[in-house]
Amino acid sequence: DADVTQTPRNRITKTGKRIMLECSQTKGHDRMYWYRQDPGLGLRLIYYSFDVKDINKGEISDGYSVSRQAQAKFSLSLESAIPNQTALYFCATSDYRPGGAAGELFFGEGSRLTVL
Amino acid sequence: DAKTTQPPSMDCAEGRAANLPCNHSTISGNEYVYWYRQIHSQGPQYIIHGLKNNETNEMASLIITEDRKSSTLILPHATLRDTAVYYCIASPQGGSEKLVFGKGTKLTVNP
Repeated sequence: DADVTQTPRNRITKTGKRIMLECSQTKGHDRMYWYRQDPGLGLRLIYYSFDVKDINKGEISDGYSVSRQAQAKFSLSLESAIPNQTALYFCATSDYRPGGAAGELFFGEGSRLTVL
Repeated sequence: DAKTTQPPSMDCAEGRAANLPCNHSTISGNEYVYWYRQIHSQGPQYIIHGLKNNETNEMASLIITEDRKSSTLILPHATLRDTAVYYCIASPQGGSEKLVFGKGTKLTVNP
């Protein structure tokens, strides 16, 4: 089984619908992240969480919300989906190394969302 | 964070070494250089990172110039499975949330 699992892997929805993307991990990491990738571009950070009670906005949080239900689970919600939220979404986890290099990011396989 | 510059694309023959350059001329003393790769819309995969010294692991080697303004990722014997987008990131020490993924270099390994 994958260390970082995302569901659903593919989803087609309509404008205005509420969508939830779920992520679970078996790495035992405290830190979890949600990224968005548009065609031909790099990844942009939406939200990140250092632990269950510590959630932070990333570069592009508008239109998104998150919930950290447990150490192993981090979900991303689109309350009212719009077409420009059509993208590939990645969840990731990492550990933390104080005073040193950033912890290695472990990514899920991605969730492809299409908003019509 | 330092900006990195990478060529948009490169080609390499299977079995040959692939040398991927990255320019980070504004890097500061506490910024590490990280490399990740992304194979065809899969989740990115960590390759290697370094601060000042050259680094090697089972996947690749990282050569950082003495002035730290540029670096090269070396895949010693490229295979078709190494075809991917390679991201070079310069980021200060600390949390992974600081890593900024740009457009990277699309490496195509040809048979």
